[in-house]
Amino acid sequence: GAGVSQSPSNKVTEKGKDVELRCDPISGHTALYWYRQRLGQGLEFLIYFQGNSAPDKSGLPSDRFSAERTGESVSTLTIQRTQQEDSAVYLCASSEGLAYNEQFFGPGTRLTVL
Amino acid sequence: RKEVEQDPGPFNVPEGATVAFNCTYSNSASQSFFWYRQDCRKEPKLLMSVYSSGNEDGRFTAQLNRASQYISLLIRDSKLSDSATYLCVAYTGGGNKLTFGTGTQLKVEL
Repeated sequence: GAGVSQSPSNKVTEKGKDVELRCDPISGHTALYWYRQRLGQGLEFLIYFQGNSAPDKSGLPSDRFSAERTGESVSTLTIQRTQQEDSAVYLCASSEGLAYNEQFFGPGTRLTVL
Repeated sequence: RKEVEQDPGPFNVPEGATVAFNCTYSNSASQSFFWYRQDCRKEPKLLMSVYSSGNEDGRFTAQLNRASQYISLLIRDSKLSDSATYLCVAYTGGGNKLTFGTGTQLKVEL
């Protein structure tokens, strides 16, 4: 079946602009995660959605970052007033239920802020 | 101190060699552990879970040492296709997230 998809695959933007990144999880996966991976670094947790529960936003680095998910479907990550330090690959993952279940990652969106 | 720490490498080994990576974790409450593999400019994929009794999957063996708070990954008879970054991952119950290490880079050479 289809895996996790993300769009766009690459995004170049100017400092100060807003960007919106999209994630389509695997159908039936109740859990969805966003991570950030800077060049040569590990994965940094941003936010977690589980079904209709309140999301875990504990990893969002600032109030410029927000994310939404409608039910158990598509999620969007929005970064407002982008800064150069926001440049990274943004990875989305989905899983069946809890965090210790295998997470399936999308190919990521490579964001470059000029 | 990072929650999950790994030697970034790179580990350069000849084809056919045996190589081992260790990973330490700081939270003694961590319950589950995993190794993910990430190829260059690709997304991470689950390689194997790590069980208390240790587990083996073909050429790969993972072990957990709770007393010393580390997990290990052993790769036997390494192949060129094993070249990747190996991410050590911990799950601490009560939260909803996995904690990823920064990864250990492996390069298998002819």
